Amino acid sequence: QKEVEQNSGPLSVPEGAIASLNCTYSDRGSQSFFWYRQYSGKSPELIMFIYSNGDKEDGRFTAQLNKASQYVSLLIRDSQPSDSATYLCAVKVSSGSARQLTFGSGTQLTVLP
Amino acid sequence: GAGVSQSPSNKVTEKGKDVELRCDPISGHTALYWYRQSLGQGLEFLIYFQGNSAPDKSGLPSDRFSAERTGGSVSTLTIQRTQQEDSAVYLCASRQGGYNEQFFGPGTRLTVL
Repeated sequence: QKEVEQNSGPLSVPEGAIASLNCTYSDRGSQSFFWYRQYSGKSPELIMFIYSNGDKEDGRFTAQLNKASQYVSLLIRDSQPSDSATYLCAVKVSSGSARQLTFGSGTQLTVLP
Repeated sequence: GAGVSQSPSNKVTEKGKDVELRCDPISGHTALYWYRQSLGQGLEFLIYFQGNSAPDKSGLPSDRFSAERTGGSVSTLTIQRTQQEDSAVYLCASRQGGYNEQFFGPGTRLTVL
């Protein structure tokens, strides 16, 4: 079992819809969770992080964390074609060295105009 | 301010040759990471430097891979006797002490013929 799993997609949503991206992790001791966006041919950039159970909102983005079920999700409201990218879930696993992140393989999102 | 820079941006080499990849982190960032990303895959952790501490080399795939960080700043990743399976994008990231966010460089695309 991979430590961090994501549906590779591709996920397609129409412009204006809500895109829902999901990530599960195996290390129950994980404490920190991150969502990175990576445009094709570019490096990842951090868009959200969450440490506590529940929802965290930032503009059109909402991160949701459920430690009991070991999943973290990212919702993108009012999706725009510019949101089309690969979204990487990253987890600070307890077994790793300090500040080391374990990344999922990413979900490719396409927002159709 | 300046972000993380990497050089070269592209490197094509022949199987069996050695290559050196360079990373200049953001000034003042004490932590530096190297990752590898194969086509369509997530980020694979390679090595982590934190200040003057011994690096975490747990992600290096073989003894052909090594890295050093001189003066707590610039880092060089060296791959000896390159193999075709080493072809990937090599990403460097740096992080400020006390924070979780990693800032990524643009990457070096390595192609081993």
